[in-house]
Amino acid sequence: DIQMTQSPSSLSASVGDRVTITCRASQDIRTSLAWVQQKPGKAPKSLIYGASSLQSGVPPKFTGSGSGTDFTLTISNLQPEDSATYYCQQYGGYPFTFGPGTKVEIK
Amino acid sequence: QVQLVESGGGVVQPGRSLRVSCAASGFSISGRAMHWVRQAPGKGLEGVAVISYDGSRTNYADSVKGRFAISRDNSQNTLSLQMNSLRTEDTAIYYCVMLTSSGWFSPPESWGQGTLVTVSS
Repeated sequence: DIQMTQSPSSLSASVGDRVTITCRASQDIRTSLAWVQQKPGKAPKSLIYGASSLQSGVPPKFTGSGSGTDFTLTISNLQPEDSATYYCQQYGGYPFTFGPGTKVEIK
Repeated sequence: QVQLVESGGGVVQPGRSLRVSCAASGFSISGRAMHWVRQAPGKGLEGVAVISYDGSRTNYADSVKGRFAISRDNSQNTLSLQMNSLRTEDTAIYYCVMLTSSGWFSPPESWGQGTLVTVSS
């Protein structure tokens, strides 16, 4: 199975900040990488696919980049509603595997 | 806008069976691969089973292979997961996920709200 790692496991930032989350795959997945947001007590929501393409309706404050094994998710102009856990997920091979998540908190 | 609504969760004893379902509305899922993802209490996300757009191909995580079966009824716009020989470690919220295309090597697009399955004696 393809293993996914994320860093940091959690971060705390202020309103208006820009934060970056890193995701690494254990083997080359090209750009078969998605980012998913999960707010406390809620179902996950898809943000990004193909490493850098926004799902419909997702604001452009979320940007993804990377290919191969290294990927990043950047959230600009952080707002209280961005407080959530963010997971990366590879879909280049089954089973689809998720990173352990990065919890983003607002100071 | 697609809405996915899971049902069928509950409390079941170890070794017993349970079937969870997902009803789609607002969109036909017949052209899309579908996925079940689960989340144990306080834990991360785990892909469980995927099915092609026409139901001809399926794949499973090793942890459920031989015990779970994914199926779909495109005429009813529904997805199901038959879970047999349940174990305590199967306790989780089960999410129905619609992928972005007919091929199963595609990203998640829409998620249901989940249904909780608790395996306990």
